[in-house]
Amino acid sequence: DADVTQTPRNRITKTGKRIMLECSQTKGHDRMYWYRQDPGLGLRLIYYSFDVKDINKGEISDGYSVSRQAQAKFSLSLESAIPNQTALYFCATSDFLESTDTQYFGPGTRLTVL
Amino acid sequence: AQSVSQHNHHVILSEAASLELGCNYSYGGTVNLFWYVQYPGQHLQLLLKYFSGDPLVKGIKGFEAEFIKSKFSFNLRKPSVQWSDTAEYFCAVKDTDKLIFGTGTRLQVFP
Repeated sequence: DADVTQTPRNRITKTGKRIMLECSQTKGHDRMYWYRQDPGLGLRLIYYSFDVKDINKGEISDGYSVSRQAQAKFSLSLESAIPNQTALYFCATSDFLESTDTQYFGPGTRLTVL
Repeated sequence: AQSVSQHNHHVILSEAASLELGCNYSYGGTVNLFWYVQYPGQHLQLLLKYFSGDPLVKGIKGFEAEFIKSKFSFNLRKPSVQWSDTAEYFCAVKDTDKLIFGTGTRLQVFP
């Protein structure tokens, strides 16, 4: 969905490096999410934010941090990357006013930690 | 908390075959249920969703799903698959303010 963009799309980094993944949206949604996808494990929630001042841990937040710089921007940081953080990372958004909370996904960032 | 089970991890079909992918969630009450599809190399897209009303939900590309409350199920169906349906399919349930995803079912359709 072109309304949700992620940068970079691919990244290779080394163990111990700090890395930031960025997500921007033009949908005007207030809620944003970060997931990681691993083969056979589906999508697991890392962090989510319901507005600029609201940050919540998800299922697997250890080793990650986030920043909601504006309603449209939500960044995910790996403080000190390790190989088992190699995964596909997705950002998603949803609209509080839509009762079903349908989420709209970005194109993903493929991260490899060597 | 809710959980979602997708029992079929990998399904292989020939074109024109019928498809049914299983999805079960863990407990009842009011539920919002979703099926997302991820085509090779692409992001997740919404196929269909159920939040109330008719338990038979029609989605895009000829897919449908049936919510059966007594069985805690929301199975995805398509009467005749196409090669272009090759993708990974994820069932999800809304749990308070979050979505809980299943582990996914990889569908391969051969011409």
